[in-house]
Amino acid sequence: DIVMTQSPDSLAVSLGERATINCKSSRSVLYSSNNKNYLAWYQQKPGQPPKLLIYWASIRESGVPDRFSGSGSGTDFTLTISSLQAEDVAVYYCQQYFTTPRTFGQGTKVEIK
Amino acid sequence: QVQLVQSGPEVKKPGASVKVSCKASGYTFTSYGISWVRQAPGQGLEWMGWINGYNGNTHYAENLLGRVTMTTDTSTSTAYMELRSLRSDDTAVYYCARESVAALIDCWGQGTLVTVSS
Repeated sequence: DIVMTQSPDSLAVSLGERATINCKSSRSVLYSSNNKNYLAWYQQKPGQPPKLLIYWASIRESGVPDRFSGSGSGTDFTLTISSLQAEDVAVYYCQQYFTTPRTFGQGTKVEIK
Repeated sequence: QVQLVQSGPEVKKPGASVKVSCKASGYTFTSYGISWVRQAPGQGLEWMGWINGYNGNTHYAENLLGRVTMTTDTSTSTAYMELRSLRSDDTAVYYCARESVAALIDCWGQGTLVTVSS
């Protein structure tokens, strides 16, 4: 199985400041034949299902604010919130869809400092 | 718009079975798969398996083999997940989610709380 490890487990950021979450996979999720990274980011607010933010490691889902961005390739990925807003308080998960079983990171809780 | 609507909460005794439904609308059901993901209280997300909406092919998480069955009814665009021999550590919110041909999960149901307690 591909193990996904996120860091940190939690972070507190001031409103308007940058938040950065890292995700590392135990093996590459880059498919060489199409040069795509099979890596997604989800946001989950309390009492709600997860919501897709980013796919193919860097493509923003329709309707997601442009303060959210994804980067990275192979085994190392980053989700950045460029200017944290109050509504961004949530747990964020990375997930690989390169192979089964699909696996998620353990989650990173983002709070306001 | 794409919607996945799940059945209501369940309370089961250890050893019993539960079957959760997930009714899809707003898209062509047979063009996508359905993944099932569960989340124990206060914990992260655990992928349980996937079913192809077109031909019913399945792939289950190894730790659930023998206890889980995923099915679909294409006539009603509904997916089902049955979990047998329930244990207390199966207590969780169970989500269905649409999975594209590229294996991306892009839409989630609202979740169904299954509580296993004697």
